[in-house]
Amino acid sequence: DAKTTQPNSMESNEEEPVHLPCNHSTISGTDYIHWYRQLPSQGPEYVIHGLTSNVNNRMASLAIAEDRKSSTLILHRATLRDAAVYYCILRPYNFNKFYFGSGTKLNVKP
Amino acid sequence: NAGVTQTPKFRVLKTGQSMTLLCAQDMNHEYMYWYRQDPGMGLRLIHYSVGEGTTAKGEVPDGYNVSRLKKQNFLLGLESAAPSQTSVYFCASSYSSAEYEQYFGPGTRLTVT
Repeated sequence: DAKTTQPNSMESNEEEPVHLPCNHSTISGTDYIHWYRQLPSQGPEYVIHGLTSNVNNRMASLAIAEDRKSSTLILHRATLRDAAVYYCILRPYNFNKFYFGSGTKLNVKP
Repeated sequence: NAGVTQTPKFRVLKTGQSMTLLCAQDMNHEYMYWYRQDPGMGLRLIHYSVGEGTTAKGEVPDGYNVSRLKKQNFLLGLESAAPSQTSVYFCASSYSSAEYEQYFGPGTRLTVT
């Protein structure tokens, strides 16, 4: 199963952009790239996902490398509420399992 | 819509006791999942179901059983609880295609003494 690699932690200042990287060098052609985040003492919540093209939604943007071996989650203006653990996950098209890994703990400084 | 709900929110068990965790979803999702999360770690898949009457093993299925008698409910059972099963348990549901996201419940914090 394809796995992902993320930095253990990152720090950002409030109202500044944040770029969270993810490496997935063994990704297959039909794997979707999903991002979730988990606020303290809560269940994970969906952030964004994509297959090949860059994606934008109200929460974030997802930039996918041309070879799809890496991706970057972009929070355009970090707020204190964005402090969470961010998980980059590959979801195979024909398979039902997610592998969460350890994620990146984002700390946002006021 | 309530989304994904889990019952109970907290539970303390003695070693050897049994219990059932209930997960319910009102989004008509085909797929449902049970995860556990140990302190400082990511989620690990215990069991999952791709439809009513079906179940399958995930990464860490030992010591757990599941049932999906109704589409909207997914039950996780511990027949003989062990301290190693102390964890936070999350249920999730989704549509069948990989392009759809999972929706998670608020979690059940289980302590086995």
